[in-house]
Amino acid sequence: SYELTQPPSVSVSPGQTARITCSADALPKQYAYWYQQRPGQAPVLVIYKDTERPSGIPERFSGSSSGTTVTLTISGVQAEDEADYYCQSADSSGTWVFGGGTKLTVL
Amino acid sequence: EVQLVESGGGLVQPGRSLRLSCTASGFTFGDYPMNWVRQAPGKGLEWVGLIRSTPYGGTTEYAASVKGRFTISRDDSKSIAYLQMNSLKTEDTAVYYCSGTGEGDAFDIWGQGTMVTVSS
Repeated sequence: SYELTQPPSVSVSPGQTARITCSADALPKQYAYWYQQRPGQAPVLVIYKDTERPSGIPERFSGSSSGTTVTLTISGVQAEDEADYYCQSADSSGTWVFGGGTKLTVL
Repeated sequence: EVQLVESGGGLVQPGRSLRLSCTASGFTFGDYPMNWVRQAPGKGLEWVGLIRSTPYGGTTEYAASVKGRFTISRDDSKSIAYLQMNSLKTEDTAVYYCSGTGEGDAFDIWGQGTMVTVSS
């Protein structure tokens, strides 16, 4: 089955840059999406189609892609960015898969 | 206001059935593919399945873990998506979210979730 692998945790100090990676285990890689989930809340879309940012999402959130790995970058991390982040993509049959999630801690 | 509201969750015994509803408002429901996503306590997100919009056939896809037990349907006249869950197992215990797929196939609308507990 298709899998997306994320690091379980990432820690950064306020104002620093956080990078969260998501690696697909097979080609071809479809577009990737990123969601932020704060405790007790529903997920919120922060990046779609690898690099696009929805309206209302701060510019400090950006996405990139290289080969079978996509990266969510948060520049100038703020305390409010502390949350779980999930990548998502589709497998070759058109069904969706989420990564295991990464807990971002702002020190 | 764009909104999705899930309902129908609760405590159910293993082997029994439960139907969840997802009521939409503030957008053209019939244009949107709808997904169900679940999250077991303390765990990550798991995609459950989707139903395409009616103009695209209203066809469905399911995760392997629920295929043959769960069925997704929609009533565009009422702006509601359903998740019929049969032969429930303890491992189906989770918060169930519905989500609408918008621009670029992104899950850009989410409900607040409804808790399903499968236990004897």
